Amino acid sequence: EAGVAQSPRYKIIEKRQSVAFWCNPISGHATLYWYQQILGQGPKLLIQFQNNGVVDDSQLPKDRFSAERLKGVDSTLKIQPAKLEDSAVYLCASSLVGSNTEAFFGQGTRLTVV
Amino acid sequence: AQSVAQPEDQVNVAEGNPLTVKCTYSVSGNPYLFWYVQYPNRGLQFLLKYITGDNLVKGSYGFEAEFNKSQTSFHLKKPSALVSDSALYFCAVRDSSGAGSYQLTFGKGTKLSVIP
Repeated sequence: EAGVAQSPRYKIIEKRQSVAFWCNPISGHATLYWYQQILGQGPKLLIQFQNNGVVDDSQLPKDRFSAERLKGVDSTLKIQPAKLEDSAVYLCASSLVGSNTEAFFGQGTRLTVV
Repeated sequence: AQSVAQPEDQVNVAEGNPLTVKCTYSVSGNPYLFWYVQYPNRGLQFLLKYITGDNLVKGSYGFEAEFNKSQTSFHLKKPSALVSDSALYFCAVRDSSGAGSYQLTFGKGTKLSVIP
């Protein structure tokens, strides 16, 4: 079974530029998550989708971050404009529907904003 | 709001000795609890989960965890540590009542170092 795919693996941009990350979840997983992991901290949920609907985006900085999940499969997370404090690893995860199901994570995208 | 505390930033243990990585949680309803491991430059890998039933849960790579409702804890254990167990370990909780939109909340992580 293929895992969660993310691209790119690494990205370096200047502040105020824009960047987009892509995620392809495990086939059949209706729930998709985007997490931000700052160095030395645990992952923080940015947004959670079920199919193509948003379940929770309470911690998404909506003035600069946006995410979409068209057709309930692939998802894109965008940052525009980027700030220095956005430097982090962005993790995508997916799971089956149900609160007792575990999430499976991709390898992440390491973003450096200079 | 739900939360997870991992009180130790780092745990050092000698190879072959038992290891424990501590986790306590706070939720308004009943908890669903998870442990993940993260190796350098890798995503998080699922180890085990507690949903209901037996308080001792067995998972991947010989790890197990004990759920203690009265102490609101879910400590990760392994009887005999291997050098290859050295990694970053994350505890996570989800509120089964739906509070917090079933959000999966992580602790800050504990770095485990197994010394040969």
